[in-house]
Amino acid sequence: KAGVTQTPRYLIKTRGQQVTLSCSPISGHRSVSWYQQTPGQGLQFLFEYFSETQRNKGNFPGRFSGRQFSNSRSEMNVSTLELGDSALYLCASSSDRSNSPLHFGNGTRLTVT
Amino acid sequence: QKEVEQNSGPLSVPEGAIASLNCTYSDRGSQSFFWYRQYSGKSPELIMFIYSNGDKEDGRFTAQLNKASQYVSLLIRDSQPSDSATYLCAVISTGGFKTIFGAGTRLFVKA
Repeated sequence: KAGVTQTPRYLIKTRGQQVTLSCSPISGHRSVSWYQQTPGQGLQFLFEYFSETQRNKGNFPGRFSGRQFSNSRSEMNVSTLELGDSALYLCASSSDRSNSPLHFGNGTRLTVT
Repeated sequence: QKEVEQNSGPLSVPEGAIASLNCTYSDRGSQSFFWYRQYSGKSPELIMFIYSNGDKEDGRFTAQLNKASQYVSLLIRDSQPSDSATYLCAVISTGGFKTIFGAGTRLFVKA
C-alpha cells in the first residue's frame, strides 16, 4: 500500500507570496492532519479534515487554511507569507477509528526569504 | 503548562543499555497514546501505541501507561546506535481529531 505523498518536497518563496501544499493520504484513509515543525516549537497542529470537513483547528492565524477533496486528498494554503512561516510542513493520514495513529508523509520544506 | 511534556535531552546511553524516555500529559480525558521516532531530516514514524494502563511490549520496545499519574514512558532494551533519534510522545485529545505532540527527547546511543 502506498504511503502518504506530499508535494512538492521543497519550496522557496518570498515574503508576501502565497503557497499551496498538497497531500495524498494512504488509500482508504479519510482523515488528514497537517502539522508545522520548527526547531523551536516542535510539531504544531494546524488542522484536521475528514470527509471534506474540518473537524479541528490549531492556534494559527487565518493566513493558514486548508481543504479536503472528495477523494480525501488535501491541500493547505498559506497566504501573505512571513519569514517565520519557514518550516517543515507535515501531512499525516489515519483511518476512521478515533484512536488511530498518524502516518506521516515526507513533508514539504518551505523556506521564505 | 504544556499539553504534552518531555525532557528534551539529550539522553546518552551506551550500546546495549536500557534507554528510558518519559512523558506527561495534561488532558485527563485522553485515552490514546503513541511513541514516534524521528531521524534527523526524516518524518516521524510510529513505533508504539498504548491505550490501557500497564505495559505493552513489542520486541525491544516497552511502552508503559499510568493514566492516574498522566504518565507515559518508553523503554528501549539493548539499545543500538541505530536507535539514535528524537522520540516524540503523542496524545489524542479528548473528543478526538487532534493528536498533540511533545517537543521530543533526543537519544544518543554510543557504540
